[in-house]
Amino acid sequence: NAGVTQTPKFRILKIGQSMTLQCAQDMNHNYMYWYRQDPGMGLKLIYYSVGAGITDKGEVPNGYNVSRSTTEDFPLRLELAAPSQTSVYFCASTKDLGLAYGYTFGSGTRLTVV
Amino acid sequence: DQQVKQNSPSLSVQEGRISILNCDYTNSMFDYFLWYKKYPAEGPTFLISISSIKDKNEDGRFTVFLNKSAKHLSLHIVPSQPGDSAVYFCAASESGTASKLTFGTGTRLQVTL
Repeated sequence: NAGVTQTPKFRILKIGQSMTLQCAQDMNHNYMYWYRQDPGMGLKLIYYSVGAGITDKGEVPNGYNVSRSTTEDFPLRLELAAPSQTSVYFCASTKDLGLAYGYTFGSGTRLTVV
Repeated sequence: DQQVKQNSPSLSVQEGRISILNCDYTNSMFDYFLWYKKYPAEGPTFLISISSIKDKNEDGRFTVFLNKSAKHLSLHIVPSQPGDSAVYFCAASESGTASKLTFGTGTRLQVTL
């Protein structure tokens, strides 16, 4: 089915380890986003991209990096994992035609840093 | 600084009745508003949106009302169904910002039989 695919669904990391959260969409959407959701909180924007080769910081970018080499893929890299990065991570995408139909979200990656 | 606020963490409504979920915002530059629904262990799904040039938008059982002077929007669900039990997020965007969304903290709706 068309949509946004995130892998892995769950991961436990030790403090100081690194990992990449994968995100891929097959809807030819230009805009892609990474959000994190902490318990009882709303989603906060980490990084976003308006097209291949273009990325920019969101509200909470510290400790993360992204790349956008293709329209389809937007991986999120965690370097030196910290307990504060324990969260649920959502990737989303939309066309650059406004928000009348909102974003399409992936099903999320639940990350625990111990 | 929370620019989008959902002050009710939870709401319980009987099946068949109206559910009203509220959202307030502080940034007067926001000009597009959306509601998302989220089930456990799933990503949010888009429900309905409204532009600031309108004060009401309907889609089936869902209606969103926008009061710009009060910086307030609400989502009405009529009639409420058990399958509507989920967390509802309000979100807002400002034109020219690459469709970035600012989310509220969510309201958990429980529809009881």
